[in-house]
Amino acid sequence: SQQGEEDPQALSIQEGENATMNCSYKTSINNLQWYRQNSGRGLVHLILIRSNEREKHSGRLRVTLDTSKKSSSLLITASRAADTASYFCATASNNNDMRFGAGTRLTVKP
Amino acid sequence: GAVVSQHPSRVICKSGTSVKIECRSLDFQATTMFWYRQFPKQSLMLMATSNEGSKATYEQGVEKDKFLINHASLTLSTLTVTSAHPEDSSFYICSVQRGNTEAFFGQGTRLTVV
Repeated sequence: SQQGEEDPQALSIQEGENATMNCSYKTSINNLQWYRQNSGRGLVHLILIRSNEREKHSGRLRVTLDTSKKSSSLLITASRAADTASYFCATASNNNDMRFGAGTRLTVKP
Repeated sequence: GAVVSQHPSRVICKSGTSVKIECRSLDFQATTMFWYRQFPKQSLMLMATSNEGSKATYEQGVEKDKFLINHASLTLSTLTVTSAHPEDSSFYICSVQRGNTEAFFGQGTRLTVV
């Protein structure tokens, strides 16, 4: 079963703008990970944030985690057309299985 | 380099036949591997947890007799879709995870049943 929800389901922005995606989950977690998937392809790992962390940065990516609200956000700054993809959050619990959110389809228009 | 190797990347089979998908952990021994399925424009759904040397654990709604999982060694898990039907056409992907770290995913297998 899926862990939770992501919003928005779809997001369309202009190149250079920032994109924010949100993820909510239901159970306690060890960590939360964000992945990107281009159409019909495998997953690309973006960033992992552990349950005792609140914020992480990686290049143009910024991830926050609020365990009290069971939510996370992914911010992509200065977006590029190449960022067009589906983005998924996934949570890992004690038994290490990953549960994915529904995903956000991001379109960055040049 | 790749941590997880999945094969084949694409397969087309006739309805009623069986298809085997392999997932290999290249970088470390994995006592547990995970199998996911993804339908078009949907998210990844966990199908089962593959346990080395013991029976797989299936998620609710996943038929264990249809999706046979074998985890005979610490580096190899196989998923066999038995008596495949067109509704089994999907993207199947495996993963391994080492401790509280990122999960490593295979390249995925696109199965088309005609």
